[in-house]
Amino acid sequence: NAGVTQTPKFQVLKTGQSMTLQCAQDMNHEYMSWYRQDPGMGLRLIHYSVGAGITDQGEVPNGYNVSRSTTEDFPLRLLSAAPSQTSVYFCASSYDYSNEKLFFGSGTQLSVL
Amino acid sequence: GQQLNQSPQSMFIQEGEDVSMNCTSSSIFNTWLWYKQDPGEGPVLLIALYKAGELTSNGRLTAQFGITRKDSFLNISASIPSDVGIYFCAGTSGSRLTFGEGTQLTVNP
Repeated sequence: NAGVTQTPKFQVLKTGQSMTLQCAQDMNHEYMSWYRQDPGMGLRLIHYSVGAGITDQGEVPNGYNVSRSTTEDFPLRLLSAAPSQTSVYFCASSYDYSNEKLFFGSGTQLSVL
Repeated sequence: GQQLNQSPQSMFIQEGEDVSMNCTSSSIFNTWLWYKQDPGEGPVLLIALYKAGELTSNGRLTAQFGITRKDSFLNISASIPSDVGIYFCAGTSGSRLTFGEGTQLTVNP
């Protein structure tokens, strides 16, 4: 049982480039979410999904897109990377939206030059 | 928006010492959670608290849900080197989950 799998582990982009961070979970969780972690700011919610076909914005959604075509996958797209998006990104899932017991992936360290 | 103030921001302790950290908020929370993040990994849930005044233990860890519902603390007894990492508090209010800024713990052997 792999849990929540994120790829890649590390990524370096140039300003203006686009990319997709992948997230997959094999626990049949309905709820999935993306967070970014910056020093001294804790974890901030970017986007979330309460089920396949349903997505919504979190606290810091600008510059990011998501989609949820299947229960298992929840990719995060950076449309035009900016240095302000340099961060560590975590995907997380839970059984349902009311279940605060999140399972996190191991993170993607992204640097935008 | 809701904010959680977590303190201290960092701690440097000797192996064997006890550790205490806390989170406070101006808002009421329905649930308090404590997560630990090992270096290079994602956070892992340590303890979940659901009722005001609740005191819950998980091995050497003890956490309490404040009676005002606006605070929570986490204690670690007899620290060991593998306790090193970042500890996050988190609270839920309605459907919203808010994380504290984290406490970086360093344990010197």
